[in-house]
Amino acid sequence: GQNIDQPTEMTATEGAIVQINCTYQTSGFNGLFWYQQHAGEAPTFLSYNVLDGLEEKGRFSSFLSRSKGYSYLLLKELQMKDSASYLCAAMDSNYQLIWGAGTKLIIKP
Amino acid sequence: GAVVSQHPSWVICKSGTSVKIECRSLDFQATTMFWYRQFPKQSLMLMATSNEGSKATYEQGVEKDKFLINHASLTLSTLTVTSAHPEDSSFYICSANQGTSNSYNSPLHFGNGTRLTVT
Repeated sequence: GQNIDQPTEMTATEGAIVQINCTYQTSGFNGLFWYQQHAGEAPTFLSYNVLDGLEEKGRFSSFLSRSKGYSYLLLKELQMKDSASYLCAAMDSNYQLIWGAGTKLIIKP
Repeated sequence: GAVVSQHPSWVICKSGTSVKIECRSLDFQATTMFWYRQFPKQSLMLMATSNEGSKATYEQGVEKDKFLINHASLTLSTLTVTSAHPEDSSFYICSANQGTSNSYNSPLHFGNGTRLTVT
């Protein structure tokens, strides 16, 4: 079956760095996505990886290893506003997004 | 950037009534739109895939007669919750597929969601 695993909750300190891991198993693969979702709001797009390696976008970076079925989202210089849920989603061969349950990130001052 | 408008943002209705939620792609044509439901502290759950000009494809466990989906044009899909009950209270989100992806563009553009409360 298809499955996405990511930690349920993580805590980090303002100004620090945090890495949120995601492993996936899908029928075929057409990319790995990370979304940020604040409570009561729709998800907002953060990143997309389809090739192995690291994609950097400002304070956020995303890494993909297709052979390991593994991705991570790296957040640097954490700010209080980064407190949110981070959703990992893999696109299968039918271009359907398979969603993880999300990682709730708590930022402490 | 691409924008998806979802209306209404929130709605309160009485048990047994029906509620219609609209999802519009404002500056692109979306042949495919997706409807999700999200319960508190849970991830997005895909309910159905809406294809313009054809019947929607429902996920297992989603009642197609209860959640009516119409995708009459390339820019509009509607979800109607019929005979709503308190257990249908949830956050409903639509998204529209614009096409291919790259590092800076999501293939999916989300509406802002509709919070439905059935009393």
